[in-house]
Amino acid sequence: EIVLTQSPGTLSLSPGERATLSCRASQSVSSNFLAWYQQKPGQAPRLLIYDASNRASGIPDRFSGSGSGADFALTISRLEPVDFAVYFCQQYGTSPWTFGQGTKVEVK
Amino acid sequence: QVQLQESGPGLLRPSQTLSLTCTVSGASITSGGYYWTWIRQHSGKGLEWIGNTYYGGSSHYNPSLRGRVTISIDASKNQLSLTLSSVTAADTAVYYCGRVGIQFLDVWGQGTTVTVSS
Repeated sequence: EIVLTQSPGTLSLSPGERATLSCRASQSVSSNFLAWYQQKPGQAPRLLIYDASNRASGIPDRFSGSGSGADFALTISRLEPVDFAVYFCQQYGTSPWTFGQGTKVEVK
Repeated sequence: QVQLQESGPGLLRPSQTLSLTCTVSGASITSGGYYWTWIRQHSGKGLEWIGNTYYGGSSHYNPSLRGRVTISIDASKNQLSLTLSSVTAADTAVYYCGRVGIQFLDVWGQGTTVTVSS
């Protein structure tokens, strides 16, 4: 199965700063079928990005996804207070679908 | 607006069979173009895909569950179900159902906590 490694484990930033999260796959992700989710405590994950770079409906444009092959990134251009959460990547190009272990974005 | 709601027993004993239901509202589970999926999350951390199904089609499962899992659709009740046999403490998790469409996994239920303990 494809292993996704997210880095860093924790990102300490201030509101207004730029956040860049990495997701690296153990092999190429078929058709760049990679998604990013945001999760807050006690809530289900929320889809942000699908197909590596497409924003899901209702997602602010400060969120952007990039990358291809085995290296992907999620960028939050200017952090707002509501953005401090845990972020997961998921590949769905090859079965079994797999998730990264998450990156926590916390207030510095 | 499509909403999903999981339900089922919160506590199980080892070796029992877990049965969960996901009730779909705001849309028909038989609508073409959608997969329905189960995902679980251990201790608020790692997410694990359990499997998928779609109405009128076959189901696909994570090999890690070693044939213990069955996912099915009850169209008459507009529900998705999950059955997991021979549970152990390793099956303790929050279980989510979800809808997979053009924008991939864009609708999630709120999750239901399952604890396996003797």
